[in-house]
Formats: sequence, C-alpha cells, structure tokens
Amino acid sequence: DAKTTQPNSMESNEEEPVHLPCNHSTISGTDYIHWYRQLPSQGPEYVIHGLTSNVNNRMASLAIAEDRKSSTLILHRATLRDAAVYYCILRQYSGAGSYQLTFGKGTKLSVIP
Amino acid sequence: GAGVSQSPSNKVTEKGKDVELRCDPISGHTALYWYRQSLGQGLEFLIYFQGNSAPDKSGLPSDRFSAERTGGSVSTLTIQRTQQEDSAVYLCASSLMGNLDSYSPLHFGNGTRLTVT
Repeated sequence: DAKTTQPNSMESNEEEPVHLPCNHSTISGTDYIHWYRQLPSQGPEYVIHGLTSNVNNRMASLAIAEDRKSSTLILHRATLRDAAVYYCILRQYSGAGSYQLTFGKGTKLSVIP
Repeated sequence: GAGVSQSPSNKVTEKGKDVELRCDPISGHTALYWYRQSLGQGLEFLIYFQGNSAPDKSGLPSDRFSAERTGGSVSTLTIQRTQQEDSAVYLCASSLMGNLDSYSPLHFGNGTRLTVT
C-alpha cells in the first residue's frame, strides 16, 4: 500500500506562510497526491491535488519533489480559519473494483493570532 | 449550490437497535462514498457506489453493515444490532465521476454522529 507520513501537529503565526510536509516514499507512477483539510465538526474539504508538477489554486500551492517521494502543501498567509487537520493522501486501488482515498491521521495545524 | 446533505446530524441509540443513516449527494454526482471516523482517528473507508451499484464493499466492517443507493442519488447506510464500537461519525462524500478521476474531487457532508449507549 502506498502510504503517507505527516507530522502530528504544527503551529503557525497568523498571516505567515505555512509549509506542511508529507512523505510518500512508496508512491507509484500513477498515484496522484491529494490534500484535504478538516475543520472542527465538519467533513473534509478538498484543497489541492497534483501528479508531478507544482500546482497552485486559490486555496494553496502544492510543491512536489522531483522524485515524487515527498510533497509540501503551502498556505501563503495563514488565517485563523486555516486551523484544521490537513490530510495528505494517495489514491489507491482497493483491489475490489475501485480507487479510494485512504486518510491517515493528518497534521493538526494551529494558527496563533 | 447545495452540498452533500446527511441526516440525522446526531443519533443516539441503544445497543442492539438498528439505525439508518441517510446521504443526499450533490445533484449529478455519480459516485458516492461512505467513510466513518472514530474519535481522534482518520477516516475509514466503508463502501463506494457508482450509480446504484456498489463495486467496492471492501471496507464494511461486518455483515451488520449494509448500504444501498436508489435512483443514482440518495444512499442509506444501515447498521443492524448496533454495538458500542459502532459509535463514530459517519461521513458521506460524492464526486462527479467514479474511480477518483483526477478532476473529480470528493465533496463531503458534515456527517452523522452516532452514539451507541
């Protein structure tokens, strides 16, 4: 199984950039890297995904290492609303007819005012 | 537009009773997923629907758990003879296409918090 490793928790000051790391050393060539986040008492929310090239959207940027064994989610200016659990996920074939996203425990990001 | 809707938002039941959890996906989304999240844990995959069929039931923890989807829309997750270890938040997600196509991210509801006493 392609798995990911993330720090359990991180802190950031408000309005500063945040770099959330993720290791995925057993990633296969066709695995997309997905990031979701979960605010308190809510379901997860899609943030960004990528395959090989760095990606930018209105929420964040995703920097993918050249060997694809690690990636970093970048929040350019953390706000209090960005306090959440961030999940780095690889799409996996379940062996039963579908792909699925396997969520680990993620990184709990705290934003300090 | 309307997101994924789940009901009830909270459910307290006695051990041994059956419960039904409902999910209304985003209109037009063909793929539907059920996950559960125990306190302080990550999400555990339960079942995946493409249209009305469930090609992947590999995550259902026991035969007490079943799910159906009718009309390619609403889905119901049923837990029979509930046990205390079934207590968790049950999350439903939908996506435009199945197999987690790279352009079809999952959209989650806010879940049903199930407590078995």
